Amino acid sequence: AQKVTQAQTEISVVEKEDVTLDCVYETRDTTYYLFWYKQPPSGELVFLIRRNSFDEQNEISGRYSWNFQKSTSSFNFTITASQVVDSAVYFCALIMEYGNKLVFGAGTILRVKS
Amino acid sequence: DAGVTQSPTHLIKTRGQHVTLRCSPISGHKSVSWYQQVLGQGPQFIFQYYEKEERGRGNFPDRFSARQFPNYSSELNVNALLLGDSALYLCASRPPGRTYEQYFGPGTRLTVT
Repeated sequence: AQKVTQAQTEISVVEKEDVTLDCVYETRDTTYYLFWYKQPPSGELVFLIRRNSFDEQNEISGRYSWNFQKSTSSFNFTITASQVVDSAVYFCALIMEYGNKLVFGAGTILRVKS
Repeated sequence: DAGVTQSPTHLIKTRGQHVTLRCSPISGHKSVSWYQQVLGQGPQFIFQYYEKEERGRGNFPDRFSARQFPNYSSELNVNALLLGDSALYLCASRPPGRTYEQYFGPGTRLTVT
C-alpha cells in the first residue's frame, strides 16, 4: 500500500521569507509519480508539478522549486520569497504506475502574513 | 479551454436522503475520478471511470455509486446519507496517455443535517 506523510500541519511565515513544505512517501512500487497540489480557500485543487520516480532531477519554476530524493523517499517543495497569495493548503500525492488513484497526504496549511 | 466543472456548488441534505453530484471533464479527457475530502484531511479516492467503465473503487460502502456517460461526464450518487458523508466532493479528469496528472474541479460541498 502507498502512504504519503506531510508532518507539518501548519506553517506561518512573513512575506518574502522562504518556506519548505515536507513530503515523505511509502511505496513498494519501483515506478510511481509524485505530485504537489495547491488548494486555495475556494476549494479547487490546482496541479503544480508531477515528478517521475526515475527522474531525480530537481525542478525550479519561478519562485517554486522541488527537491526529489529517492534515497530518503522525500519530495519537498520550497517557495522562495513567499507572498500572501501563496496562502493555501498544499497537498503532496502519489500514484503508482498503471494505478487509478492518487494517494494524498493530510496537507500543510501555509499562512503568509504581510 | 474550460476546466472540470461540477454541479451543484453547495448542497444541504437530510440524513437518509439521496444525492446526485455531476461532473463534466475537460474536453478530450476520457477518465473521470471522484474523491471525498472531509474537513481537515486530504482527498480520499472513491471511483475512477474510463470509457464508461469502472476502473477503480476506493474503500467506500455500496451506498456510493457512480456512472459515466457517452460524453464522458459523470454522476456520483450517494444513498441513505449519513452525517459523516458531509464533505467536499471533488471530481478530476485525466488526459489520455501515461501522464497520470489529474485536473480537479471546484468541488461540491455537501452538508448532511
